[in-house]
Amino acid sequence: AQKVTQAQTEISVVEKEDVTLDCVYETRDTTYYLFWYKQPPSGELVFLIRRNSFDEQNEISGRYSWNFQKSTSSFNFTITASQVVDSAVYFCALSEVTYGNKLVFGAGTILRVKS
Amino acid sequence: NAGVTQTPKFRILKIGQSMTLQCTQDMNHNYMYWYRQDPGMGLKLIYYSVGAGITDKGEVPNGYNVSRSTTEDFPLRLELAAPSQTSVYFCASTQQENYGYTFGSGTRLTVV
Repeated sequence: AQKVTQAQTEISVVEKEDVTLDCVYETRDTTYYLFWYKQPPSGELVFLIRRNSFDEQNEISGRYSWNFQKSTSSFNFTITASQVVDSAVYFCALSEVTYGNKLVFGAGTILRVKS
Repeated sequence: NAGVTQTPKFRILKIGQSMTLQCTQDMNHNYMYWYRQDPGMGLKLIYYSVGAGITDKGEVPNGYNVSRSTTEDFPLRLELAAPSQTSVYFCASTQQENYGYTFGSGTRLTVV
């Protein structure tokens, strides 16, 4: 079974639009961690955020915000007022104790921001 | 501070050839990982190590081998290259489990 599902394969927006990237996860652990990574066209993977299962508080960092909802097993990522530099592949990932705390990645969402 | 360094950046192999992908980190991290990235598939874990002398298989280990003789180095060996191993390979490290990983810049491997 897919542990991390990113149903949106590709999203295209125009600059300054808000965009939300969805992430749904599956786990039976009570303690787990969720992550978002960004992969710009240059190819490197950049760590954005880590959230543990006991902290459902939403987080905001500049134009980025994350909404963690255990009730729906979702950890969605919103970019406000998108910019061309936000164009990248975004990966959601899960780490759980029963899998030795190793990261399991979703398939990724390609975000294209047009000027 | 170089972080995680991978070499080479690009390589073309013929079927049946072997090669080693190098990975070195200078952050004194105990945990190191090898992932492969295929289009539309996300990243799949090949092998990982929790410290020098300790390695274990990930989700897709077939066709690969690793060693971890030092904390800094975690090379990935392909013994008999096959077209199915055409991929982008990423090495990563972290200081503690469940912390964010630091990734290398990747190795793009093509097997023809």
